[in-house]
Amino acid sequence: ETGVTQTPRHLVMGMTNKKSLKCEQHLGHNAMYWYKQSAKKPLELMFVYNFKEQTENNSVPSRFSPECPNSSHLFLHLHTLQPEDSALYLCASSQENPGRSYGYTFGSGTRLTVV
Amino acid sequence: GESVGLHLPTLSVQEGDNSIINCAYSNSASDYFIWYKQESGKGPQFIIDIRSNMDKRQGQRVTVLLNKTVKHLSLQIAATQPGDSAVYFCAENMDSSYKLIFGSGTRLLVRP
Repeated sequence: ETGVTQTPRHLVMGMTNKKSLKCEQHLGHNAMYWYKQSAKKPLELMFVYNFKEQTENNSVPSRFSPECPNSSHLFLHLHTLQPEDSALYLCASSQENPGRSYGYTFGSGTRLTVV
Repeated sequence: GESVGLHLPTLSVQEGDNSIINCAYSNSASDYFIWYKQESGKGPQFIIDIRSNMDKRQGQRVTVLLNKTVKHLSLQIAATQPGDSAVYFCAENMDSSYKLIFGSGTRLLVRP
């Protein structure tokens, strides 16, 4: 285990459903991230949270809604997704910026399938 | 965590041989670089890093080379083992930004 836990590991949802992905880190890190890894564009940055404040939204559609209630937890709320949103969603954390933190520590991801 | 379906370049090597995986990075202002390994069912894991004031750094069985002139990064794995089979990504970071920008990845297959 890396210290970053993502649940669920697999999720199948219909286009009209609402679901949430959860990430929890036990490393005492201050920054958390959501990345999307798909067949067409591997490892795209979606959101960055630093000390619970969103500092980056990489032009992500509003059907993805992040939430960071504290420095240890990060959620990604999903609603009215499209089949092309099917991908592996990876959560990561770092103590501070990657250059001072040996990069990120990643979770194992949630494999999302939209039907 | 598997990159199933990704049309990645693939490097196939014989067990015991050395492997060299290459990466072209995008931003000449990037000053910190990392190689990650992603095994099936897992997220990317840190292997080795290098800063822009260096051109070579060695770890256990791995060496990273940085050529800033042509914006090229390589990962050398000595005496490749079956457990090295995975997808390898380079990542770049610039000037205290919180963003890591990842390359497209290379799949390494080790033949027994």
